[in-house]
Amino acid sequence: DQQVKQNSPSLSVQEGRISILNCDYTNSMFDYFLWYKKYPAEGPTFLISISSIKDKNEDGRFTVFLNKSAKHLSLHIVPSQPGDSAVYFCAARNAGGTSYGKLTFGQGTILTVHP
Amino acid sequence: EPEVTQTPSHQVTQMGQEVILRCVPISNHLYFYWYRQILGQKVEFLVSFYNNEISEKSEIFDDQFSVERPDGSNFTLKIRSTKLEDSAMYFCATTHRSSYEQYFGPGTRLTVT
Repeated sequence: DQQVKQNSPSLSVQEGRISILNCDYTNSMFDYFLWYKKYPAEGPTFLISISSIKDKNEDGRFTVFLNKSAKHLSLHIVPSQPGDSAVYFCAARNAGGTSYGKLTFGQGTILTVHP
Repeated sequence: EPEVTQTPSHQVTQMGQEVILRCVPISNHLYFYWYRQILGQKVEFLVSFYNNEISEKSEIFDDQFSVERPDGSNFTLKIRSTKLEDSAMYFCATTHRSSYEQYFGPGTRLTVT
């Protein structure tokens, strides 16, 4: 059941440059998309989200873009910092029927930012 | 900043034993969730809980699993008879209402031997 896919298991970026993390989804019933950051031995930390009625949301160094026709979203981090090194998860919320906010997660992308 | 807490951080148990994982949600949150992550795999939804009852559950959440809010603050996940394949990180998440972002606890690492 690959409703949310992050096809890149890892990404390596130089400090100060842009990090772009990608996510694809298949379920048209998703109404809200979220990005979480996770360090080892910790829970996922919410970063930024976007409603399906928007195509861009920005918060400081983080911007999420949504392309509904392509069922694709991306997270841009500019400029990247070594402290951004973590696993990044894309997650989607299902608006339909009896769903009460259940999140479906991608596999995660390990981001490494080199000084 | 308020946060979700979970206890214990690590639980080791023998196959067939019962375990209870505990979560203290953020105080004004109303929707509660359990997720798990088996090593090297995705974070998977287990169950959602609202107004003192289960709202939705996944195929993983079979009769061996149960949730409750025994005292109005703690939110617990019980596994009645643990199996080796229950070994995973279990995360509690809460949200103010279902349309808002979910905030996760640090997780409980369950190891079944």
